[in-house]
Amino acid sequence: GAVVSQHPSRVICKSGTSVKIECRSLDFQATTMFWYRQFPKQSLMLMATSNEGSKATYEQGVEKDKFLINHASLTLSTLTVTSAHPEDSSFYICSASDPNSSYNEQFFGPGTRLTVL
Amino acid sequence: GQNIDQPTEMTATEGAIVQINCTYQTSGFNGLFWYQQHAGEAPTFLSYNVLDGLEEKGRFSSFLSRSKGYSYLLLKELQMKDSASYLCAVRVLTDSWGKLQFGAGTQVVVTP
Repeated sequence: GAVVSQHPSRVICKSGTSVKIECRSLDFQATTMFWYRQFPKQSLMLMATSNEGSKATYEQGVEKDKFLINHASLTLSTLTVTSAHPEDSSFYICSASDPNSSYNEQFFGPGTRLTVL
Repeated sequence: GQNIDQPTEMTATEGAIVQINCTYQTSGFNGLFWYQQHAGEAPTFLSYNVLDGLEEKGRFSSFLSRSKGYSYLLLKELQMKDSASYLCAVRVLTDSWGKLQFGAGTQVVVTP
């Protein structure tokens, strides 16, 4: 199947700093990428949908000024958590749709564990 | 919004069969996915149903009834490595792409 990478896998930062997470589709071009957040023992919550070359579409309740998304190319999307606070500590997962896959399914990255002190 | 319900946890012994049910209420239905997720890892694709009926894929099978808003994932010949969370996700059509709405996941514990 298609491969999606994320970097970094883990990050610890101080409160008030900004953190950038990269999501790359390695062997396919992804016009659409998705960003999710997952708290312990809870499901994946969609934060935003990112389309190459256009502004991201945020889910209700997600602050677009706090979670900046840039989809600069067909293989790269970035999520920047600005002025991070301890409540932003979570597991952030990206996914990418491969239009050439059998079901146009989403392929998930390995996730980024963010801890804000 | 979408309501997707699945049991929180199920326990079964190695070699047995487990069936994980998922019910959903949604608009713009465009398919149902099952994913497996081990702790701290990304979900991996297991199966997809868009039409009613059963899809079989090795030890895993998935069933869908659109009229009932119901799906199940059947795991046969359970192995210890099958201990994981199983996520039911409904794809809904929005604008020009489909987004996934996930259930809370069912933690399957396989015991020796």
